[in-house]
Amino acid sequence: AQKVTQAQTEISVVEKEDVTLDCVYETRDTTYYLFWYKQPPSGELVFLIRRNSFDEQNEISGRYSWNFQKSTSSFNFTITASQVVDSAVYFCALSVGPGNQFYFGTGTSLTVIP
Amino acid sequence: SQTIHQWPATLVQPVGSPLSLECTVEGTSNPNLYWYRQAAGRGLQLLFYSVGIGQISSEVPQNLSASRPQDRQFILSSKKLLLSDSGFYLCAWSWASGGGADTQYFGPGTRLTVL
Repeated sequence: AQKVTQAQTEISVVEKEDVTLDCVYETRDTTYYLFWYKQPPSGELVFLIRRNSFDEQNEISGRYSWNFQKSTSSFNFTITASQVVDSAVYFCALSVGPGNQFYFGTGTSLTVIP
Repeated sequence: SQTIHQWPATLVQPVGSPLSLECTVEGTSNPNLYWYRQAAGRGLQLLFYSVGIGQISSEVPQNLSASRPQDRQFILSSKKLLLSDSGFYLCAWSWASGGGADTQYFGPGTRLTVL
């Protein structure tokens, strides 16, 4: 069975602090994909990143970085120098073939305080 | 580029009334289409997905149904709404290459309140 756990329900940080959002996944498939989405107050889910199970390289995009570790089944997301605009709910998701069905975590609500 | 539309944006309906939510995608052909519901607790629940016209898979038995009358149109319906149908409904699309590799792109959502 597939499962994604985001243990942090809510996080509050002061602007300019760094924050890491945790994601732990479970699957027996050897080929799978991991995703992060951002849901701002408007409600629309915005795609941030996709990672496949064969690529453990960490990725950096501006203030965002992702740490994928198969040994611990984790795909954590770090925001450096957080800004108020980063306030949102962040979802981690797992996808395995063949139907491209996504398994979402329950989300982490991030509040950045000015 | 591809865009996905949903309407209406918000809807308030009485219990027992019918429902029709529409989702359309532009700029692609033969996409996979998905309906999700997000209740107050924030979790996303997959309701239906479709890999082609007339092909609907249901993930959760419920008061809702889905149809795909055209390649890029996905409709969520109910004959009689229940209070528990309230929530935020999101439509998504993905390429159909399979194997779990395809990113899902989400629409703006419809906020449904059943009174």
